[in-house]
Amino acid sequence: DAGVIQSPRHEVTEMGQEVTLRCKPISGHNSLFWYRQTMMRGLELLIYFNNNVPIDDSGMPEDRFSAKMPNASFSTLKIQPSEPRDSAVYFCASGTVEAFFGQGTRLTVV
Amino acid sequence: GENVEQHPSTLSVQEGDSAVIKCTYSDSASNYFPWYKQELGKRPQLIIDIRSNVGEKKDQRIAVTLNKTAKHFSLHITETQPEDSAVYFCAASPSGNTPLVFGKGTRLSVIA
Repeated sequence: DAGVIQSPRHEVTEMGQEVTLRCKPISGHNSLFWYRQTMMRGLELLIYFNNNVPIDDSGMPEDRFSAKMPNASFSTLKIQPSEPRDSAVYFCASGTVEAFFGQGTRLTVV
Repeated sequence: GENVEQHPSTLSVQEGDSAVIKCTYSDSASNYFPWYKQELGKRPQLIIDIRSNVGEKKDQRIAVTLNKTAKHFSLHITETQPEDSAVYFCAASPSGNTPLVFGKGTRLSVIA
């Protein structure tokens, strides 16, 4: 198994642009989590899904953020419009008991 | 909700010495406590975990202890090596399918 796969690995975009981050969880895992990591705030949970259903999105910072999981093998996190303060590393993780992280997407909004 | 506090934020040890990182949690319903290691520019990787029905777990040079009464758990690394240098995160959750709440991390430096 290739593990949790995220794309892109790096994204540089201009303020105001739409950004879409992608995640393919490990097959068979029924939970998927999106985390954001910054120096100031550490690892923050944005949203999580169980069996493709969003359970808790209270960590999504603003309405500019949205996430979907149309099927068990794919999820997206979208930011529209992006702002410089959104710059961070975004991790997707999946699991049944343990949580396994993808490589992350380093987002820079200029 | 759950709140996890982690100490110290930075730790420097001489190669061969032991390192101890401590975490406390607030939600008595939490029963799953993993530890992650994150090397610079890489993903957090699970290194060991413990569940509430166990007080201690060892895996070679690393061990984790759990005190449910006091709501704290600790990571112990013995005979530290330079490759142990990384940021270590503790986490807690009520069960495996619910989100992990992470501590702020401990930057461990092992000095050769």
